[in-house]
Amino acid sequence: DAKTTQPNSMESNEEEPVHLPCNHSTISGTDYIHWYRQLPSQGPEYVIHGLTSNVNNRMASLAIAEDRKSSTLILHRATLRDAAVYYCILRDRDNYGQNFVFGPGTRLSVLP
Amino acid sequence: NAGVMQNPRHLVRRRGQEARLRCSPMKGHSHVYWYRQLPEEGLKFMVYLQKENIIDESGMPKERFSAEFPKEGPSILRIQQVVRGDSAAYFCASSPVGKGNYGYTFGSGTRLTVV
Repeated sequence: DAKTTQPNSMESNEEEPVHLPCNHSTISGTDYIHWYRQLPSQGPEYVIHGLTSNVNNRMASLAIAEDRKSSTLILHRATLRDAAVYYCILRDRDNYGQNFVFGPGTRLSVLP
Repeated sequence: NAGVMQNPRHLVRRRGQEARLRCSPMKGHSHVYWYRQLPEEGLKFMVYLQKENIIDESGMPKERFSAEFPKEGPSILRIQQVVRGDSAAYFCASSPVGKGNYGYTFGSGTRLTVV
């Protein structure tokens, strides 16, 4: 399985944008890039996913490098509620039955 | 449209008892995944089930743990003769299809404490 690398932790100020990086140099052509987050004492929550093009939704934006070897999750205005562990995970579109493998993720702290 | 429902939210068991954790997937989802999160650790995959079938149980301990997803009713994760090391948060997720371009929806988890 292709692996991802994320910084262990990041800090942001409230109401400022946050860019969470993820490296996946061994990504295959059919791997989707998924982002989840886990707030304290809660289950993981889907954030966004994409294949090649940049994606936007109400929670965040996903910027995917042209060579797909890295991606960045963008929170446009961080709030205190965005403090969580963010996971970047690859999952093969064509691999039926493959489960999500969660790494340690990036722990985001948001300062008031 | 209810999300993934897990119950109970909290479960306390004495060493040697059995723990039964239930997961009702989202409506229309036929794929269920169980994960375990030990205190201060990451999420570890345990088992992946479809209705009446275990697809992948590579993350499940070989003894005392079992899982099922019957034709009718919720998925059940069963832990027999619990030990203190089983104390953890157990999360269930569901998806409509098993392919990698679909995401999961997670439940809020069951926090098991073994005393």
